[in-house]
Amino acid sequence: GESVGLHLPTLSVQEGDNSIINCAYSNSASDYFIWYKQESGKGPQFIIDIRSNMDKRQGQRVTVLLNKTVKHLSLQIAATQPGDSAVYFCAENIQSGGSNYKLTFGKGTLLTVNP
Amino acid sequence: DSGVTQTPKHLITATGQRVTLRCSPRSGDLSVYWYQQSLDQGLQFLIHYYNGEERAKGNILERFSAQQFPDLHSELNLSSLELGDSALYFCASSPRHGNSPLHFGNGTRLTVT
Repeated sequence: GESVGLHLPTLSVQEGDNSIINCAYSNSASDYFIWYKQESGKGPQFIIDIRSNMDKRQGQRVTVLLNKTVKHLSLQIAATQPGDSAVYFCAENIQSGGSNYKLTFGKGTLLTVNP
Repeated sequence: DSGVTQTPKHLITATGQRVTLRCSPRSGDLSVYWYQQSLDQGLQFLIHYYNGEERAKGNILERFSAQQFPDLHSELNLSSLELGDSALYFCASSPRHGNSPLHFGNGTRLTVT
């Protein structure tokens, strides 16, 4: 079949605004979640994580919210800066047997910050 | 800088060939993970090693294999290469297996012609 590019959801914000990036995860048994930022030509960079026994966690300018009822994760970035422009991935840790886990990534959201 | 080192940065090879990608994890990390990132599939988990032992497999083709050595560095071997194997290959490491962040290298870009 025809191969198509990965059409990422995109979010465009003005510098200084707050950004909210959303993610739906797949497995109700997942107990650990991570947000990553990937800039062009680089590997994914850890931003913040949250365990399933929490519903909110704050870092520096970032907040992650977890809603297990609807299997939804969000990343809030305060006072968005041009350097925040990147693709953002959510990832869930799914148990793959015994004490083994594999980190499964969502498709990503492209954030563009306009100066 | 994540502390994870991947070599080479770029690799161009022909169909049918075999290549080896190398990864040095962060100092002290026992777990190494390999991921493939392509335009149409996103980031796909391939395989996980912990302290030299294979712990989990993902969507890894039989033509691909990996190992983790006693010094904890890891190699991903890709053989009988096809055009569709062109992608970015990332290695990540973490201190243990389970619920801890993975720290990624900057990847090897493989182009199969």
